[in-house]
Amino acid sequence: RKEVEQDPGPFNVPEGATVAFNCTYSNSASQSFFWYRQDCRKEPKLLMSVYSSGNEDGRFTAQLNRASQYISLLIRDSKLSDSATYLCVVIASGGSYIPTFGRGTSLIVHP
Amino acid sequence: DAGITQSPRHKVTETGTPVTLRCHQTENHRYMYWYRQDPGHGLRLIHYSYGVKDTDKGEVSDGYSVSRSKTEDFLLTLESATSSQTSVYFCAISDPGTVTYEQYFGPGTRLTVT
Repeated sequence: RKEVEQDPGPFNVPEGATVAFNCTYSNSASQSFFWYRQDCRKEPKLLMSVYSSGNEDGRFTAQLNRASQYISLLIRDSKLSDSATYLCVVIASGGSYIPTFGRGTSLIVHP
Repeated sequence: DAGITQSPRHKVTETGTPVTLRCHQTENHRYMYWYRQDPGHGLRLIHYSYGVKDTDKGEVSDGYSVSRSKTEDFLLTLESATSSQTSVYFCAISDPGTVTYEQYFGPGTRLTVT
């Protein structure tokens, strides 16, 4: 079982839709969580960190469920420009600071 | 955007030749990383550095070596390139002195080994 798993998609949604991605992780000692966005042939860029209490940034909401070991990303009112691959990233405690990446979920927003 | 550059941005080389990729940062971050990204595999860590002259292996380190003689530069060397090393290579930096340890990525180097 991979340490960090994501549904690869693609998720194909119309503009204005709400879409949610989940990401599960296997290491219960994980302490830091992030969502990254990667456009085609570009580098990954930090979208948002995920805090224990959940956090929101405009149309984007991230949540963490430690008991079930998953994080989620909710995108409301999808825009064409949201089309990208979304990467889930987890860092375990222990001092190595080595992130573990999921393989990404592809989102396609169509008119 | 974080100050990270990679050079070259594109390279085509022949099997058996040595290749060195450079990552340069202006953020004074302690950690630097080299990843490769291939379809179906996602990002895979090759090597990382946690300080000048301090490096360690990642999950796909065979065939690669690294060096870090200055805080700002992290070099990745393919001693004898093979076609299986055709990939997109990303450098990343982080500074675990911050609260959440997020990484920032360079623009990538597209390497083709013929």
